[in-house]
Amino acid sequence: NAGVTQTPKFRVLKTGQSMTLLCAQDMNHEYMYWYRQDPGMGLRLIHYSVGEGTTAKGEVPDGYNVSRLKKQNFLLGLESAAPSQTSVYFCASSFRSARGEKNEQFFGPGTRLTVL
Amino acid sequence: GENVEQHPSTLSVQEGDSAVIKCTYSDSASNYFPWYKQELGKRPQLIIDIRSNVGEKKDQRIAVTLNKTAKHFSLHITETQPEDSAVYFCAASNNNDMRFGAGTRLTVKP
Repeated sequence: NAGVTQTPKFRVLKTGQSMTLLCAQDMNHEYMYWYRQDPGMGLRLIHYSVGEGTTAKGEVPDGYNVSRLKKQNFLLGLESAAPSQTSVYFCASSFRSARGEKNEQFFGPGTRLTVL
Repeated sequence: GENVEQHPSTLSVQEGDSAVIKCTYSDSASNYFPWYKQELGKRPQLIIDIRSNVGEKKDQRIAVTLNKTAKHFSLHITETQPEDSAVYFCAASNNNDMRFGAGTRLTVKP
């Protein structure tokens, strides 16, 4: 099993450009998440999904959109990139227990995005 | 929403000593508290977690304690080794999202 994979690994954008980050998991997990990681600020939740066709805002959703059309994929979109969105982006997934409890999140390898 | 504070931001110990990292959370509905280790340039990986119905959990040299009344939880690493050097993150979750602390950079000196 590949676990959680992310595409691309690196990307450089100019201000105002758009792009989509792809996250894929092969563990049949219900929950998927997008985080950004900046120095000294830990992992901040951008958006998350509790199942196919559902999404919800996290801590820092502004400037990002997401879609979960298939259970195994979670896409993060930047419509008009800004230098403040320069960061390392991590995707994660976790399974949902029968009682709806949270469980371990498995992280992807990360995408390093630079916006000039 | 949930707010998680983590202390200290950096911690340096001698090999063989113990290390303790503390976190507080604000949402009394939080019921799941994982700890992640992140080595330089790598992805975060779970090292231990605890649920709100348990006060303490241990796995070899690593233990986590939870005080629900005070809304704080701690990570304890005993007999530290150089390979324990990394950034450690605590997190708190209700049954919706997950919020992380800002991280603690642990350095274990040989």
